[in-house]
Amino acid sequence: GESVGLHLPTLSVQEGDNSIINCAYSNSASDYFIWYKQESGKGPQFIIDIRSNMDKRQGQRVTVLLNKTVKHLSLQIAATQPGDSAVYFCAEIMRNTGKLIFGQGTTLQVKP
Amino acid sequence: DGGITQSPKYLFRKEGQNVTLSCEQNLNHDAMYWYRQDPGQGLRLIYYSQIVNDFQKGDIAEGYSVSREKKESFPLTVTSAQKNPTAFYLCASSAGILTGNEKLFFGSGTQLSVL
Repeated sequence: GESVGLHLPTLSVQEGDNSIINCAYSNSASDYFIWYKQESGKGPQFIIDIRSNMDKRQGQRVTVLLNKTVKHLSLQIAATQPGDSAVYFCAEIMRNTGKLIFGQGTTLQVKP
Repeated sequence: DGGITQSPKYLFRKEGQNVTLSCEQNLNHDAMYWYRQDPGQGLRLIYYSQIVNDFQKGDIAEGYSVSREKKESFPLTVTSAQKNPTAFYLCASSAGILTGNEKLFFGSGTQLSVL
């Protein structure tokens, strides 16, 4: 069925290292992807998005890569900081549905 | 939280009781959504509304009801028919239908627990 999933439930990194969070999606009709960050007890916050006609997009310290061939999405965080500790979700919008489908989330733990 | 206010922050439900979660937005957004989040899981869509006086069921609508009488308000009622209501409930809104040109903004959530 349709699903968006993340490869690892938890990722632990050292402060200052780069983090890579992965996501696999199964619906080839999806044409827009978003990464959200959710801190404990709060609602998700938009980080970065990418359309299916792109394979890379960069923001401030974050980069999203999209590989449509293998239906894989990744979020790279450069020089990870303690404030980056949170749960990260990928989400997809399927063309013409207007609905957002979320993956299960990866908890990023940053060790000082 | 982007102009979306959810209340209360914490809510407790007794057996057989209906409870209503409030969601108000001052972003002048047409579309509003309710999601349920269980520990270690992603968000699942309960109901959504793309315009006042209209709403559609999401993926897990059973045991829930909504209304959209005003553009800025989209309350969610968790009825006694919902047998496993303990979860974190998130309200969200967007200016229009999500097509990739619209961003989804979330409230800060309501944690519902059963007594």
